[in-house]
Amino acid sequence: ILNVEQSPQSLHVQEGDSTNFTCSFPSSNFYALHWYRWETAKSPEALFVMTLNGDEKKKGRISATLNTKEGYSYLYIKGSQPEDSATYLCAPIQGNLIFGKGTKLSVKP
Amino acid sequence: DVKVTQSSRYLVKRTGEKVFLECVQDMDHENMFWYRQDPGLGLRLIYFSYDVKMKEKGDIPEGYSVSREKKERFSLILESASTNQTSMYLCASSPFRLAPRGDTQYFGPGTRLTVL
Repeated sequence: ILNVEQSPQSLHVQEGDSTNFTCSFPSSNFYALHWYRWETAKSPEALFVMTLNGDEKKKGRISATLNTKEGYSYLYIKGSQPEDSATYLCAPIQGNLIFGKGTKLSVKP
Repeated sequence: DVKVTQSSRYLVKRTGEKVFLECVQDMDHENMFWYRQDPGLGLRLIYFSYDVKMKEKGDIPEGYSVSREKKERFSLILESASTNQTSMYLCASSPFRLAPRGDTQYFGPGTRLTVL
């Protein structure tokens, strides 16, 4: 099973701060990587599917980059808002999605 | 919008009981999945199905079975519930694609199962 590491485990920021966190995975046999956001009491929802080295995706204030050669992806949030508070999961593919443990983000007003 | 529903948000059962967790999706997706999520661990795949009456073991199938009699419904069965099966259970579905990029999975709200 792929070893997927997400860091940090948790993060507390003030409203308006920009932040980023990391997903590391083995770079061999890479197919794709997914990012999901999971808000408390809601269903996980997809943010991005990334496939190519150098991919950069953006959705509003959230963006992600992918480096398949070195095996990492960064998720950036610009100007964090309280509604960004959630656990962010990355999931590279090895047959099926292999989920990391997530980074729990808390944004204080 | 894709909708994935699960039969219960919260469930309390006793050790040894047979437990059924139901999942229904309304987007005609071929693929369906059952995961469990425990504190400090990522989502772990229990079973998945690519077609009606078809099932494949995930990473942690022990103590579970599944049933997919209709395309829209995927049931997770705990034959004899044990306390170590206390967890959050999530169902997901995705459309079938031939490319190995993996399609976006759409998740249900989860069932928090407590086994006493």
